[in-house]
Amino acid sequence: QQQVKQSPQSLIVQKGGISIINCAYENTAFDYFPWYQQFPGKGPALLIAIRPDVSEKKEGRFTISFNKSAKQFSLHIMDSQPGDSATYFCAASRQGGADGLTFGKGTHLIIQP
Amino acid sequence: NAGVMQNPRHLVRRRGQEARLRCSPMKGHSHVYWYRQLPEEGLKFMVYLQKENIIDESGMPKERFSAEFPKEGPSILRIQQVVRGDSAAYFCASSLSGGMNTEAFFGQGTRLTVV
Repeated sequence: QQQVKQSPQSLIVQKGGISIINCAYENTAFDYFPWYQQFPGKGPALLIAIRPDVSEKKEGRFTISFNKSAKQFSLHIMDSQPGDSATYFCAASRQGGADGLTFGKGTHLIIQP
Repeated sequence: NAGVMQNPRHLVRRRGQEARLRCSPMKGHSHVYWYRQLPEEGLKFMVYLQKENIIDESGMPKERFSAEFPKEGPSILRIQQVVRGDSAAYFCASSLSGGMNTEAFFGQGTRLTVV
């Protein structure tokens, strides 16, 4: 049973455009929703995270939008750059921390120059 | 300030052999997590350990897999009698504490290939 569904599987965006990746979850006990960025041959690195008491969080060019009633959250990358090309994973956990993170399957993002 | 160190980076084992994966957490971190990543899949949680204690092993296969985090030295993920299905990337993460809003820092992973 996949508890966090991520889409699209792959995404191509022109430089300067907006990249949007979506995730949906099933377990209403989840209360911590991070996004990770992974480059080939590297481990995932935390980009930005949100808790369900806010509907949006912005850090630089990265924004998380959160819809608690729909059990959905999304990552927006503004002014996308070639250096943003990577695999992005959404995740969720119950304890609000790093224990037992449930990951989506990932989105391969390519930013074309 | 070194990050999470995993070794080896690549490991090849024949079916039936044992695989030992090591993880040294970031300095000052006493919480360690192991995840497995299959090709084109997200990471799957396996086990959460603190020094000398297993806190949550709900994602760990019941047989052939074990993990430890001794008082001294790295955390070890041990896979006995490996099978081809064990081929995957194994990531370790560490955190300063296990509480709310705790960021986990991931290592670069060990890529296990079973031939």
